[in-house]
Amino acid sequence: EDQVTQSPEALRLQEGESSSLNCSYTVSGLRGLFWYRQDPGKGPEFLFTLYSAGEEKEKERLKATLTKKESFLHITAPKPEDSATYLCAPLTTDSWGKLQFGAGTQVVVTP
Amino acid sequence: DGGITQSPKYLFRKEGQNVTLSCEQNLNHDAMYWYRQDPGQGLRLIYYSQIVNDFQKGDIAEGYSVSREKKESFPLTVTSAQKNPTAFYLCASSIGMGASGNTIYFGEGSWLTVV
Repeated sequence: EDQVTQSPEALRLQEGESSSLNCSYTVSGLRGLFWYRQDPGKGPEFLFTLYSAGEEKEKERLKATLTKKESFLHITAPKPEDSATYLCAPLTTDSWGKLQFGAGTQVVVTP
Repeated sequence: DGGITQSPKYLFRKEGQNVTLSCEQNLNHDAMYWYRQDPGQGLRLIYYSQIVNDFQKGDIAEGYSVSREKKESFPLTVTSAQKNPTAFYLCASSIGMGASGNTIYFGEGSWLTVV
């Protein structure tokens, strides 16, 4: 059975304190991975799609990387507005479009 | 502005009632989805539709029903058979479900509470 695990469950950072979030998975037929950001009471907002091991993508203070078994979301010099829950979901050939999401990492950035 | 509109934002259901959540998209996407989110848990897929007049059960379809009569609309009915319906419901869409155009975009969600 496919599994998606995100760690840590929660992360509290001081403004400017860089850190990384992990998304690990055991799936077959991996074709890519999605990262989303979700604010409280809102729908997830698409951030990145990564399609191959070694690929990196950046958006403002966020950088996502992908290996065959895990992905990292690096937050560099975070600001309070980066506070959110970050969700990952592998894309596989067995489930095109039917994403299985991790439980998320809740990030709080304090001034 | 293109997007996905869910309504209502907040809904209260009495025991034994069916309720319907609306989802409309103007992105011209073929595929649409319904997910359920419970506190501290990931999103779970209820139903999905790849094309008009066709839909498939997801991982937790029991107690739910859907229809896809128009490309832009994918309403979800939470029936009285769903024993624990209190949750945050998310509608989503994508261009398709294959190797390309598979990025899923979400609406703002609907909160359903049983009273």
